Amino acid sequence: RKEVEQDPGPFNVPEGATVAFNCTYSNSASQSFFWYRQDCRKEPKLLMSVYSSGNEDGRFTAQLNRASQYISLLIRDSKLSDSATYLCVALTGGTSYGKLTFGQGTILTVHP
Amino acid sequence: NAGVTQTPKFQVLKTGQSMTLQCAQDMNHEYMSWYRQDPGMGLRLIHYSVGAGITDQGEVPNGYNVSRSTTEDFPLRLLSAAPSQTSVYFCASRPGQGRAKNIQYFGAGTRLSVL
Repeated sequence: RKEVEQDPGPFNVPEGATVAFNCTYSNSASQSFFWYRQDCRKEPKLLMSVYSSGNEDGRFTAQLNRASQYISLLIRDSKLSDSATYLCVALTGGTSYGKLTFGQGTILTVHP
Repeated sequence: NAGVTQTPKFQVLKTGQSMTLQCAQDMNHEYMSWYRQDPGMGLRLIHYSVGAGITDQGEVPNGYNVSRSTTEDFPLRLLSAAPSQTSVYFCASRPGQGRAKNIQYFGAGTRLSVL
């Protein structure tokens, strides 16, 4: 079983739609979580960190459920520019180097 | 802000050739890493470093060497290229301390083909 699993999609949604991605992690010792965005043929870039109480950044909302070991990303009012691959990331480790484990990514295409 | 700089952007090698992928960061980050990204596999950690003079193996280290003689530079060496090493390689760095210690920054990537 992969440490971090995502539905690879692709998700095809019209502009203005709300779309949600889920991600599960297998290591209960994972401490921190992130969502990264990767445009086609580009490097991943941090979209947002995920906090235990859930957090919002504009049209993006991230949630963490430690009991069920999953995190989610909700995108409201989708824009064409949201088309990208979204990577779920879990950090595992103590005070020394913490290992970042990346999911395979979920492909989102927003169409007019 | 240069951030993380990788060179070259593209490279074609023949089986058995060796080469070095360069990576430099100007953010004074302690941690640096090399990943490879293959379709359906996600990003996999090759080697990492927690500071100058300290390196360790990641998930897929075979066929690769690294060194970290300075805080800024973290080159990745392919010893004898194989077709299985055809991939996109990303160098990354993160502070390692402070509030944003685990926020990772990536270079633009190197697309490597081994024939």
